[in-house]
Amino acid sequence: GNSVTQMEGPVTLSEEAFLTINCTYTATGYPSLFWYVQYPGEGLQLLLKATKADDKGSNKGFEATYRKETTSFHLEKGSVQVSDSAVYFCALSDRMNYGGSQGNLIFGKGTKLSVKP
Amino acid sequence: DSGVTQTPKHLITATGQRVTLRCSPRSGDLSVYWYQQSLDQGLQFLIQYYNGEERAKGNILERFSAQQFPDLHSELNLSSLELGDSALYFCASSVGPGENSPLHFGNGTRLTVT
Repeated sequence: GNSVTQMEGPVTLSEEAFLTINCTYTATGYPSLFWYVQYPGEGLQLLLKATKADDKGSNKGFEATYRKETTSFHLEKGSVQVSDSAVYFCALSDRMNYGGSQGNLIFGKGTKLSVKP
Repeated sequence: DSGVTQTPKHLITATGQRVTLRCSPRSGDLSVYWYQQSLDQGLQFLIQYYNGEERAKGNILERFSAQQFPDLHSELNLSSLELGDSALYFCASSVGPGENSPLHFGNGTRLTVT
């Protein structure tokens, strides 16, 4: 079945450091890929998405490129801030058995990021 | 604020009991999803409704059931509760049923079964 694997945390960085959170996926067909972020005590929020191979999603300085050849969607940010401390989830869109798209997502286990001043 | 409202925020109950979690989707959203978040399993998709009809089913136990009402709010019913059902339950909503509609999550209901 479809699945998402992301690097285990926690990840601790100093402010202004470079961030990479690895995400790889297994899927039939061509799912859309997403990064969601969860701040303490809140629900998940969409950070960025990419719908086809070689697409780059970007938002708030974060970016990720849909790599079909390596089945990856790694999240990067050039200079993290304390306010980026949160849990980051990689996800892919699930597909119905007959191939139609549906809205529910399959999530990775999440990577906790802590940024120190 | 995502616009998705979940009640209650916290629920503490005993094994064998039954509880109902409630979700009001964002205004205009027709699709509602339920997810369970636990430390060991991560975020697991339970069930999806679109405009009152069940659209997709994930890893939902037979002891659990859900429905979406004509006013589009949804309820998740959990019965014969076990200790392992303790988790954070999220509701999400989207405009349409497919993957092109981003999911908007509520802040969750934390269920503790003692």
